[in-house]
Amino acid sequence: SQKIEQNSEALNIQEGKTATLTCNYTNYSPAYLQWYRQDPGRGPVFLLLIRENEKEKRKERLKVTFDTTLKQSLFHITASQPADSATYLCALNSGGYQKVTFGTGTKLQVIP
Amino acid sequence: NAGVTQTPKFRVLKTGQSMTLLCAQDMNHEYMYWYRQDPGMGLRLIHYSVGEGTTAKGEVPDGYNVSRLKKQNFLLGLESAAPSQTSVYFCASSYSLNPDTEAFFGQGTRLTVV
Repeated sequence: SQKIEQNSEALNIQEGKTATLTCNYTNYSPAYLQWYRQDPGRGPVFLLLIRENEKEKRKERLKVTFDTTLKQSLFHITASQPADSATYLCALNSGGYQKVTFGTGTKLQVIP
Repeated sequence: NAGVTQTPKFRVLKTGQSMTLLCAQDMNHEYMYWYRQDPGMGLRLIHYSVGEGTTAKGEVPDGYNVSRLKKQNFLLGLESAAPSQTSVYFCASSYSLNPDTEAFFGQGTRLTVV
């Protein structure tokens, strides 16, 4: 069955450093991969989407890579700030939002 | 512009009681979704709708019913609540089913069934 793995342990990082979060998947050939941010008590907020034929996507301090051979996506936040502290979810989609599969998320804590 | 609004935000039910969760969006989106989020599990799709008057089952539809009588509203009903339905429920909407487009989520409803 399809499986998505995100590091369930929280990631603590010093302010100003680059945070790198990992999303691994098995038994899946997603056409799209999305990253969301979720704050406590709030719904997920869409951040970035990357397609299977794209290796890298950037948006301001965010960068996402997608390696379909390794079946892995990396999510980077450069020059991290305490305001970046949140849980980050990856979501894989083979076609249509009705078929999206979400990961469990990784909690990021940026320490001042 | 409110986006996606869910009511209520919190609710406690006794086993066997019924309730309806309301989701309203003001973005004129055709597509709406209900998810549940449980500890240690990713968001799971309960039901979705591709337009007014249409609904379809998602990954975990049992025990839930939905209705989309108006384009802007998507209702999730629990006819006879069970403790296994204790969860955080999120509604979302999108302009298209294509994941190229952004999905917008509500703030969630925390439901406890005792």
